[in-house]
Parts: sequence; C-alpha cells; structure tokens
Amino acid sequence: GAGVSQSPSNKVTEKGKDVELRCDPISGHTALYWYRQSLGQGLEFLIYFQGNSAPDKSGLPSDRFSAERTGGSVSTLTIQRTQQEDSAVYLCASSLVLVLSAAPWTDTQYFGPGTRLTVL
Amino acid sequence: AQSVTQLGSHVSVSEGALVLLRCNYSSSVPPYLFWYVQYPNQGLQLLLKYTTGATLVKGINGFEAEFKKSETSFHLTKPSAHMSDAAEYFCAVSPRGSYIPTFGRGTSLIVHP
Repeated sequence: GAGVSQSPSNKVTEKGKDVELRCDPISGHTALYWYRQSLGQGLEFLIYFQGNSAPDKSGLPSDRFSAERTGGSVSTLTIQRTQQEDSAVYLCASSLVLVLSAAPWTDTQYFGPGTRLTVL
Repeated sequence: AQSVTQLGSHVSVSEGALVLLRCNYSSSVPPYLFWYVQYPNQGLQLLLKYTTGATLVKGINGFEAEFKKSETSFHLTKPSAHMSDAAEYFCAVSPRGSYIPTFGRGTSLIVHP
C-alpha cells in the first residue's frame, strides 16, 4: 500500500525566503510527526499531531517554524525567513497510537523519504 | 525524562563478522522498543520492535534484538554482516503514556570487505 510521501524531495532556497514542506501520511494514521535531521546528527523532534487534539509544538526551534495539519491528514511545515542553519533533511512520520491499560503508546512510525532543504 | 543511549556513533566490522549495536534506555516502566535503519538518502524503516512477550525479537535482514529488563538494554545483533548492511541504525523507545518516541543519536555501521 501507499506509504508516507513528502514533497518536494529537494528544496534550494535563498536566505530570508519562506518555504513550505508537505507530508502525506498513511491513511488512517492519527499521529503525525515532523523531525529534522542535520548532517551527521540524529533525529530532532519538531512537532506532533494526534487526531483533533492541539499539536505538541515543544520541539520547534523558533517562531519561524510552524506547521498545520488539515482534515487530520496532510501536513505542511512552514519555515519563514529561512536561515543557513535551517539546512537539513526534514522527515515526516505517521503512526497509529494504541491505548493499552488506559495509557497511550505510539506504535511503529512510518517515515517518508524526507525533504532535503538547502538554504544558500 | 526518557533517554536512549547508543554506544558508539560508528561501528566498523568486516563482512561476515558479528554485528553488535548497543542500546540502553532509561525508564521505570518497560516501554515499547524499536530499531530503525536508514539507508543513504532514505527515510527510516522499521527493523524490529519489542512490545510484550518473547524477549528475543527477530526482524528483517537477519537482525535480532533481545530485551533485557534488568539491564534496560535492547542490543541489536546479526551473526554475519553483509556489505548491504552498511547504514545508520537508530534505537527508539515509546514510553507508556507518551505520544512522542525518544530516539538515540544513531550508530553508523560500516562494513569492510
């Protein structure tokens, strides 16, 4: 079946410009995550959406970063006034959230191929 | 707070040798545990996971991992490395009651011919 897709696969922009990155999660997955992966670094959590709940924005590095998820499906990550340090691969993932013994657990995350952002 | 430690940012083995990638976590309650693999220019994909039951978990491509509660570890092994195993490996935990998994910093596996 269809996996998580992201677009564009590559984005080159000039410092100060705004960019939008798109994520199409797996149908039926209520949880959606954005991560940033810089060269040689691990995964940096950015933002999390779960169903109709307010998103967890605790990982966003500055107010230049924002994200939305429309209709519980497609998500867009927006970076305003891009800086060179924003250059990285941005990964999106979706998953099911299980409720066991009244506690939520995040099951397997399915990742998209990422968007490589280069800010000149 | 939950933490995941992967010992060694780089592990180098010869083709045919044993692969051992270490992962330790901190949690008072056993979480769900995952190993993901990332090949160059790709997203992460699941290798294997532990939820409940048998503590030795088998995954794709001949990898397996053993959950050891007393050691809070979930090390990844493969008896014989193949050149195609060269990739970045991430250990992750999904704590009970949290929607946000915690990832280790990753271990780059290098396989020499």
